[in-house]
Amino acid sequence: QKEVEQDPGPLSVPEGAIVSLNCTYSNSAFQYFMWYRQYSRKGPELLMYTYSSGNKEDGRFTAQVDKSSKYISLFIRDSQPSDSATYLCATVRYTGNQFYFGTGTSLTVIP
Amino acid sequence: EPEVTQTPSHQVTQMGQEVILRCVPISNHLYFYWYRQILGQKVEFLVSFYNNEISEKSEIFDDQFSVERPDGSNFTLKIRSTKLEDSAMYFCASSGGGSGQPQHFGDGTRLSIL
Repeated sequence: QKEVEQDPGPLSVPEGAIVSLNCTYSNSAFQYFMWYRQYSRKGPELLMYTYSSGNKEDGRFTAQVDKSSKYISLFIRDSQPSDSATYLCATVRYTGNQFYFGTGTSLTVIP
Repeated sequence: EPEVTQTPSHQVTQMGQEVILRCVPISNHLYFYWYRQILGQKVEFLVSFYNNEISEKSEIFDDQFSVERPDGSNFTLKIRSTKLEDSAMYFCASSGGGSGQPQHFGDGTRLSIL
């Protein structure tokens, strides 16, 4: 069973749409959750970091964690063409340093 | 904003040769990492490094690989006897704290083995 599963997409939405990106994970030992954005030929850029169930909001981005279902989501409101990128979910154990990444979802926001 | 810098951006090497990938982590960070991403695949953890020693490593990080912090600013990954399957993007990351803390990534070195 894969540690983290993520729908690779691709996902294409019109500008202004609400985007929902999702991951599931298999191990209840995972306690910290991250969303990274990766533009072409660039490294992953940290967007959101959370460690508790519930919602965390930062501007147009909301990260949601449901530990009971082992399900994490990223919502992007009022999506912009500049949001076009690959979005990676990642998680790590409470006592670990090894991040486990999803495969990434490719998002295109059409003007 | 502080960033992790990696050099070179692209490295081409003949199979069997040794290669050193270089990273300058964020200056006040104490924990350092290497990841790799084979084209079309997930970002995979290789190794974490703290207080001048390896703190965690994956199955990928075998005797072919080594890491070093040769001075107060650089962090290197050495790959000996490179193989075709070592071709990948290699990302360096750093964090201010240990377990569970967010890691900040560089833009990577694209390694091509011929």
